[in-house]
Amino acid sequence: DSGVTQTPKHLITATGQRVTLRCSPRSGDLSVYWYQQSLDQGLQFLIQYYNGEERAKGNILERFSAQQFPDLHSELNLSSLELGDSALYFCASSKQYQETQYFGPGTRLLVL
Amino acid sequence: EDQVTQSPEALRLQEGESSSLNCSYTVSGLRGLFWYRQDPGKGPEFLFTLYSAGEEKEKERLKATLTKKESFLHITAPKPEDSATYLCAVQRYNNNDMRFGAGTRLTVKP
Repeated sequence: DSGVTQTPKHLITATGQRVTLRCSPRSGDLSVYWYQQSLDQGLQFLIQYYNGEERAKGNILERFSAQQFPDLHSELNLSSLELGDSALYFCASSKQYQETQYFGPGTRLLVL
Repeated sequence: EDQVTQSPEALRLQEGESSSLNCSYTVSGLRGLFWYRQDPGKGPEFLFTLYSAGEEKEKERLKATLTKKESFLHITAPKPEDSATYLCAVQRYNNNDMRFGAGTRLTVKP
């Protein structure tokens, strides 16, 4: 158990809908990262927050957004969902940026 | 652009048959190379970080090594519970994200 928690574990929704994925980092970690893992793309970095501020952006679509709250938990919002958004979404955390990242158990999203 | 290539894609071993997984990378200004283990449907589990060429780290049956162009994950006398996908990732200085390889899927048969 890495200490990173993610909810929900599974999410089934329809195309065009909007969902919110939640992540709580390990105690004391200030940095949160979001990744998407699909069968054909592997593990892709989406976005990073550090102590409430956005620090780095990767291959994140405009339909996706994230934020980190004062209690350091983070949410990833996915809107106008498409079939291709079906994937595992992981959150990771680290004490500072550029330190070892510890991953949560993931949220499996299925868009029908 | 940073590139991380892992080989082989899949590896089947008999229990006790030692082998190595390879991670070749192209990155300017490597800050660290990371190895993770991932079980199906689970999050990646951190194994090692290597920072400079010549560095080695060990944990149980696993040993990771680093050169200027590649890293190896050596598995000595593997057991069925070592079956998993092993991912390597690189991180540059002044860049907060990690670029992952596609992974090596290891199966160890009893």
